[in-house]
Amino acid sequence: AQRVTQPEKLLSVFKGAPVELKCNYSYSGSPELFWYVQYSRQRLQLLLRHISRESIKGFTADLNKGETSFHLKKPFAQEEDSAMYYCALSGHNFNKFYFGSGTKLNVKP
Amino acid sequence: DVKVTQSSRYLVKRTGEKVFLECVQDMDHENMFWYRQDPGLGLRLIYFSYDVKMKEKGDIPEGYSVSREKKERFSLILESASTNQTSMYLCASSYRDGYTFGSGTRLTVV
Repeated sequence: AQRVTQPEKLLSVFKGAPVELKCNYSYSGSPELFWYVQYSRQRLQLLLRHISRESIKGFTADLNKGETSFHLKKPFAQEEDSAMYYCALSGHNFNKFYFGSGTKLNVKP
Repeated sequence: DVKVTQSSRYLVKRTGEKVFLECVQDMDHENMFWYRQDPGLGLRLIYFSYDVKMKEKGDIPEGYSVSREKKERFSLILESASTNQTSMYLCASSYRDGYTFGSGTRLTVV
């Protein structure tokens, strides 16, 4: 069965500290992995996807098929990174996405 | 620049009312989805549609129905609203590059 697990509901770090938001998945096949972000009072939006292997706003995520993980990392957190982050996966047809329960990141000054 | 539009940002309805949540996308996407977003539960799929007049149940369809008469419009219907349906409802459409979400409708059932 498809499943996305984000073990941390809340993650608090100080500005300038490294941050890692954890995501593990189970999927019968080769999934496409994504991170979505929702800033306060804004709509949910795509942050990055593993197939593009890009870095957005300093965030990166590496797909580890052995550990079935797709953790989101940033070396130096900024206050404007405070938001709700969702990990998601889909099949190759992108028809349906499965979301984790979300991690709220709080970056303190 | 808005591509997925949900008609209402906030709604307050009474228990037992029939509620319609509307969603329109202008990207000519075939796939459209309705989720509800609750703290600690993340996004849960209610219904989705791959084409006009086509619908499939998601993970939590009970108490809901949908309508897709035109490609650009996907409506969520609460047949008889109950207090446990108080939530944030998100509409999305998708293509190969992922979902585009609407801004959400916060529904309160009193």
